Amino acid sequence: SYELTQPPSVSVSPRQTARITCSADTLPKQYAYWYQKKPGQAPVLVIYKDTERPSGIPERFSGSSSGTTVTLTISGVQAEDEADYYCQSADSSGTYWVFGGGTKLTVL
Amino acid sequence: QVQLQQWGAGLLKPSETLSLTCAVHGGSFSDYYWSWIRQPPGKGLEWIGEINHNGSTSYNPSLKSRVTISVDTSKNQFSLRLSSVTAADTAVYYCAREAYSYGYLYWGQGTLVTVSS
Repeated sequence: SYELTQPPSVSVSPRQTARITCSADTLPKQYAYWYQKKPGQAPVLVIYKDTERPSGIPERFSGSSSGTTVTLTISGVQAEDEADYYCQSADSSGTYWVFGGGTKLTVL
Repeated sequence: QVQLQQWGAGLLKPSETLSLTCAVHGGSFSDYYWSWIRQPPGKGLEWIGEINHNGSTSYNPSLKSRVTISVDTSKNQFSLRLSSVTAADTAVYYCAREAYSYGYLYWGQGTLVTVSS
């Protein structure tokens, strides 16, 4: 079955830069999306089509893609950014969506 | 202002059928795909499936045999049925709107469904 691989956890101090990766063989061919998930809340889309930022999402959130890995970068991390982050992409044929296992971002 | 409002039974016994409905308020109903996504307690997000206004569906291969997603365009609603539930189906279930290549921008409030004997 198709999988997106994320690190389970990333820790960073306030005002530092956090980078969360997501890897899969199909990522060069399929767009990736990133969601922020806080307990008790619905997920929030923070990046779409690898690098685009929805309206209302702070500029400190950015996305990039290189080969089989996409990266969510949060520059100048704030305490409010502490959350779980999930990548999403499609299988090779674009038939169904898959989420990565999620990365817990801890702001030290 | 797009809003997704979902409802359904929150407590089921093993082998019963889960049934949830999501009503869409605002925006076009025909221009998007409508999805169900769940999150078991302490675990990650899992995509269940999607449907468009024409009734064209796509399902997670791991759930396909038990899932049915349907649409009622007259009410701007779509529904999820998951048969033969077990404790492993205990999760918060979300409905969401997907704009092709634009991701899931709008979500329902989530419904906790617990499967317990």
